[in-house]
Amino acid sequence: SYELTQPPSVSVSPGQTATITCSGNKLGEEYVAWYQQKPGQSPVVVIYQDSKRPSGIPERFSGSNSGNTATLTISGTQAMDEADYYCQAWDGTVAHVFGSGTRVTIV
Amino acid sequence: QVQLVESGGGVVQPGRSLRLSCAASGFSFSSFAIHWVRQAPGKGLEWVSLISYDGSSEYYADSVKGRFTISRQNSQNNVYLQMDNLRPEDTAVYYCARPGTSSYDLWGQGTRVTVSS
Repeated sequence: SYELTQPPSVSVSPGQTATITCSGNKLGEEYVAWYQQKPGQSPVVVIYQDSKRPSGIPERFSGSNSGNTATLTISGTQAMDEADYYCQAWDGTVAHVFGSGTRVTIV
Repeated sequence: QVQLVESGGGVVQPGRSLRLSCAASGFSFSSFAIHWVRQAPGKGLEWVSLISYDGSSEYYADSVKGRFTISRQNSQNNVYLQMDNLRPEDTAVYYCARPGTSSYDLWGQGTRVTVSS
């Protein structure tokens, strides 16, 4: 089965840039979405189709996808960005695989 | 108000059954497939099942195939997940989600299922 690998945790200082990677075989050939999930809340999509931001998502969230790696970048990280982040490969199958998740901690 | 609201979760013994519901409002429900996604305590997200917009197609994760059945009633704007022969590893928060443009653009608040003796 297809697997997506993310680092378990990323730490970043306020105002700095957080980079979260998502690795999978030929991932660049699929669309990738990124979700933010805060404790006790449902996930919220922050990036879809590799690099597009839904309405209401701050510009500091950006994404890219090439080769075997997709990347979520949070520029000028704020305290409110502390959360778990999941990538998802939106391929031609029905089982849209999720990554293992990355906890972003603002230190 | 555009929303999905899950219900039906609870505590159940292994081997028993439970039926989850997902009520939709504020959008053209019959135009959308609906997915179920679950999250075990302290774990990540796992896709469980989906039903097509008209109910003609159903798909399941291998982990639930043969035990879970998804259905929908478009006249009532509801999707259901019938869960039979439940196992402790089915313990999770179950979310229903609406697929948008290559992502889930709408999630419910989740309903908690605990399978324990």
